[in-house]
Amino acid sequence: KQEVTQIPAALSVPEGENLVLNCSFTDSAIYNLQWFRQDPGKGLTSLLLIQSSQREQTSGRLNASLDKSSGRSTLYIAASQPGDSATYLCAGYGGATNKLIFGTGTLLAVQP
Amino acid sequence: EPEVTQTPSHQVTQMGQEVILRCVPISNHLYFYWYRQILGQKVEFLVSFYNNEISEKSEIFDDQFSVERPDGSNFTLKIRSTKLEDSAMYFCASSDFGVNEQYFGPGTRLTVT
Repeated sequence: KQEVTQIPAALSVPEGENLVLNCSFTDSAIYNLQWFRQDPGKGLTSLLLIQSSQREQTSGRLNASLDKSSGRSTLYIAASQPGDSATYLCAGYGGATNKLIFGTGTLLAVQP
Repeated sequence: EPEVTQTPSHQVTQMGQEVILRCVPISNHLYFYWYRQILGQKVEFLVSFYNNEISEKSEIFDDQFSVERPDGSNFTLKIRSTKLEDSAMYFCASSDFGVNEQYFGPGTRLTVT
C-alpha cells in the first residue's frame, strides 16, 4: 500500500531564502507525482506534475525532482517570498490506479 | 483559464439528512474524482468516475455515498444519511486522462450538526 510522507511538517524562513521541501513514498512503482499548494481554508492549486519518465520539472521559481529508485521527490523554491506562505502537498499515483495518494503536507511561512 | 467549480461553498446539515454536493469539471476532461479532507488531516481519495461509471472507490465510499453525472457538465456526490464524522472539506477534481494532472475545485465545506 502506497504511503506518502513529507518532511518537515513546518518550516519558517526569511524572505529571499532558497528552500527544499521533501516528499517520500513507500512504493517505487509510483507512476506520476504532483505537487500542490493549499492556502488556509482553500482548495488545492496544482503546481507541478512530474511524469514517471521525467526526473524533474520546472515552473518559474519552482523546481521539482523525482527519484523513483530512492522513493523521493523534492520541491525547490528559489528566492522565497511572503506570498509563498502556504501548505505544500505532494501526491502520487499508484501503479495501477488513477487516484492520488496525498502526503501530510509542509506548512511554509516566509517571513518578510 | 478553465477551472473546476463547486457549489455550495459551505453546507450545514443535520445528522441523518441527505446532502448533494455539486461540481462542474473542466469541459474537455474525461475523469472525475471526489476527495475529502477532515480538518487537520490528509486529503483522502473517495471515488473516481469515468465513462459514466465508478472506476475506483475507497473504503470510505460506502453505501451511504453515491456519485452521478446527470448531464454533460455536472458531477455530483450524494451522501444519503449524514453522520457527524462526514464533516469535512469535499473536493472535486478532473483530469483529461487517468494519470495526468488533476485540477481541483475550491471545495465544499460540509458541517454536520
